[in-house]
Amino acid sequence: AQSVAQPEDQVNVAEGNPLTVKCTYSVSGNPYLFWYVQYPNRGLQFLLKYITGDNLVKGSYGFEAEFNKSQTSFHLKKPSALVSDSALYFCAVREKGPDNDMRFGAGTRLTVKP
Amino acid sequence: KAGVTQTPRYLIKTRGQQVTLSCSPISGHRSVSWYQQTPGQGLQFLFEYFSETQRNKGNFPGRFSGRQFSNSRSEMNVSTLELGDSALYLCACQGDRVNTGELFFGEGSRLTVL
Repeated sequence: AQSVAQPEDQVNVAEGNPLTVKCTYSVSGNPYLFWYVQYPNRGLQFLLKYITGDNLVKGSYGFEAEFNKSQTSFHLKKPSALVSDSALYFCAVREKGPDNDMRFGAGTRLTVKP
Repeated sequence: KAGVTQTPRYLIKTRGQQVTLSCSPISGHRSVSWYQQTPGQGLQFLFEYFSETQRNKGNFPGRFSGRQFSNSRSEMNVSTLELGDSALYLCACQGDRVNTGELFFGEGSRLTVL
């Protein structure tokens, strides 16, 4: 079965600095990987995904993530953080195949301070 | 196009009662998944329905059940409520038959069990 780990409950960065939110995954086959963001009292919003191809994927709001198969990681990055990026971030994995569900990590709370 | 609609948004129940939550997916999206979100646990997968059939199921007790109708609308039911069932219940849909696509989330139904 597929699973996701987000090793950091909380990440704090200063505005303008680069940010990284870590994610590692475990699947028995090929993974589809996703990042979502959640603002207070809202559902999750899709940021980006890796399905196949280039290991570096770019998504919404200037975010990007790098798929690293050897390290089974899919870390979320942004070159310059904004205060408005403060939110709860979830990494998710789905094993390739028509009948596999999507599993999420526990989430990482990102706080960007002015 | 309209997004994912979940009703009710907020509800309060007492222990031992039962509750039914509703989800209307984006038009044309036949896959509907349900997740339970609690602080510290992240999103826990409950079940997924596709074309009125349960396709996947998470590790929840039989008190949690769901169904999907021919118009793709879905309901989940929790019987004999316990305090630990207090959570945000999120519904998500997708339109991609082969599961490479992202999920589209509703804003959730926040259940409080007293």
